[in-house]
Amino acid sequence: GAGVSQTPSNKVTEKGKYVELRCDPISGHTALYWYRQSLGQGPEFLIYFQGTGAADDSGLPNDRFFAVRPEGSVSTLKIQRTERGDSAVYLCASSLKRTGDNEQFFGPGTRLTVL
Amino acid sequence: GQSLEQPSEVTAVEGAIVQINCTYQTSGFYGLSWYQQHDGGAPTFLSYNGLDGLEETGRFSSFLSRSDSYGYLLLQELQMKDSASYFCAVHTGNTPLVFGKGTRLSVIA
Repeated sequence: GAGVSQTPSNKVTEKGKYVELRCDPISGHTALYWYRQSLGQGPEFLIYFQGTGAADDSGLPNDRFFAVRPEGSVSTLKIQRTERGDSAVYLCASSLKRTGDNEQFFGPGTRLTVL
Repeated sequence: GQSLEQPSEVTAVEGAIVQINCTYQTSGFYGLSWYQQHDGGAPTFLSYNGLDGLEETGRFSSFLSRSDSYGYLLLQELQMKDSASYFCAVHTGNTPLVFGKGTRLSVIA
């Protein structure tokens, strides 16, 4: 059984460019989460999907960030007009359901560097 | 809002026992989880406490006291491979997991 996969593993872009980060969750997991992690910090919640819909996007820092999950499986995090402050590791996680003690399974992350 | 406090760094000797504390301030508390993250790796789930008391999983145990807004992770028989960052994270029911800043554990010979 494959775990959560994320592509690319590394992305270097220039300030002002558009980037897409992809997450492929564990098959059958209905809940999908995006986090970002800066050096020396814990993962910071961005957005949560239950199925195809964004159930909670309260962590998105501004309207340059957007995410989709059109078929309830693969998700794409999109960042427009990237800024140097967006540089971080973007983590995706999935779980069987949203609530309670459900373990979240994390992917290896995409390291985004904005020059 | 929510806040979590845990020590930034802990050093312990191989074979020893170490306790990593976590205090939290949050609304709508459901439970406390612990995750391990090796350098350059993904966070991996260690334990969850929804009720007061101790949960034991092999060499790792986790404790929760809701009345004190406090929990800890206990690692026994430390091994060099336990050197990693450890994060406590609260489940609030409103927002998905809120993580602490992490405790970097160094296990020395």
